[in-house]
Amino acid sequence: DSGVTQTPKHLITATGQRVTLRCSPRSGDLSVYWYQQSLDQGLQFLIQYYNGEERAKGNILERFSAQQFPDLHSELNLSSLELGDSALYFCASSAGVAGAYNEQFFGPGTRLTVL
Amino acid sequence: GQQVMQIPQYQHVQEGEDFTTYCNSSTTLSNIQWYKQRPGGHPVFLIQLVKSGEVKKQKRLTFQFGEAKKNSSLHITATQTTDVGTYFCAGPIEYGNKLVFGAGTILRVKS
Repeated sequence: DSGVTQTPKHLITATGQRVTLRCSPRSGDLSVYWYQQSLDQGLQFLIQYYNGEERAKGNILERFSAQQFPDLHSELNLSSLELGDSALYFCASSAGVAGAYNEQFFGPGTRLTVL
Repeated sequence: GQQVMQIPQYQHVQEGEDFTTYCNSSTTLSNIQWYKQRPGGHPVFLIQLVKSGEVKKQKRLTFQFGEAKKNSSLHITATQTTDVGTYFCAGPIEYGNKLVFGAGTILRVKS
């Protein structure tokens, strides 16, 4: 158990819909990262928040947005869903701000299926 | 853009055989991380290498960082069924704030 929690575990929805994925980082970690894992794209970095502020952005679509709240939990919002958005979405956390220099602790993931 | 390539994509070994996965970057890396993802699980951090030519060992796992800091390898001696999973290398881009993952090597161990 990494200490990172994600809800829900599974999500099945239809094209055009909007969903929210939730993540709670390990106690004391200020950075939260979101990743998308699909068979054809591998593990792709989406976005990082550090102590409530956006710190780094990857190949995140405009239809996707995220935020980190004062209690440090984070939400990833996916809208106008397409079939290709079906994937595993992981949240990770770390103590420091420099994501690539800190060990990242991954949550169990949310499996999104868009029908 | 900067990429981290990983080979092989798949490896099936007999239990007891050795296994190696290789990671190559198009640019010099300040550091490299290795993660393991068990089937149905999430990535778990294994190690970080920082120094040129660095070698680190964790029991049967040996990690190396190339002299030019452009390549890395993970070697497992005498594989066991518990080694099954996907091994990812990951390196930083854009001043360390973003981690780019290799495509991963899927290891299957036949007992």
